[in-house]
Amino acid sequence: SQTIHQWPATLVQPVGSPLSLECTVEGTSNPNLYWYRQAAGRGLQLLFYSVGIGQISSEVPQNLSASRPQDRQFILSSKKLLLSDSGFYLCAWSVSWGDFFGQGTRLTVV
Amino acid sequence: RKEVEQDPGPFNVPEGATVAFNCTYSNSASQSFFWYRQDCRKEPKLLMSVYSSGNEDGRFTAQLNRASQYISLLIRDSKLSDSATYLCVVNKDLQAGTALIFGKGTTLSVSS
Repeated sequence: SQTIHQWPATLVQPVGSPLSLECTVEGTSNPNLYWYRQAAGRGLQLLFYSVGIGQISSEVPQNLSASRPQDRQFILSSKKLLLSDSGFYLCAWSVSWGDFFGQGTRLTVV
Repeated sequence: RKEVEQDPGPFNVPEGATVAFNCTYSNSASQSFFWYRQDCRKEPKLLMSVYSSGNEDGRFTAQLNRASQYISLLIRDSKLSDSATYLCVVNKDLQAGTALIFGKGTTLSVSS
């Protein structure tokens, strides 16, 4: 069966520090992968998606970047975090009947 | 107009009640529709897909009206464990691939 792993579960980082969140998928090959963010009191916002290794598309301009160095690995990064980057970050992989999410990383920028 | 709109609630109902959530979407080209459930501080989980003919899964019934761009979810005989936020979701074609667009969710609180 397919599983998706995301870590860390929680993270507290100072403003201006770098960020790296990792997501890996098991049990499937060439998945479509996504990064979403859910800010407090707001809906899920699509940040990046990837249909293959090295292929990244961004939905919104922001302080973040994404990379896909391997087929089942998706990384979300920032060189310098802002307070507004706080939120619940979710990695997801897609099948025709829906998206399935990792357990998420709750990021607090202080 | 927002891509997916939902009444945020909260809906506060007693156990055993029937409750209905509504959702509208703006993209007439959307082809896939879902309801997700999200518990507090957890990731969203797929509750059910929504088909044009309507579909039922136990106490849950989903309906789709493409002409009105309207989706609904009916929960019968509410349980305490149904308390959660329910997210209405539609697909959106991207330059390469497709992604899901989520509503902000409707919060349900079932009390004894």
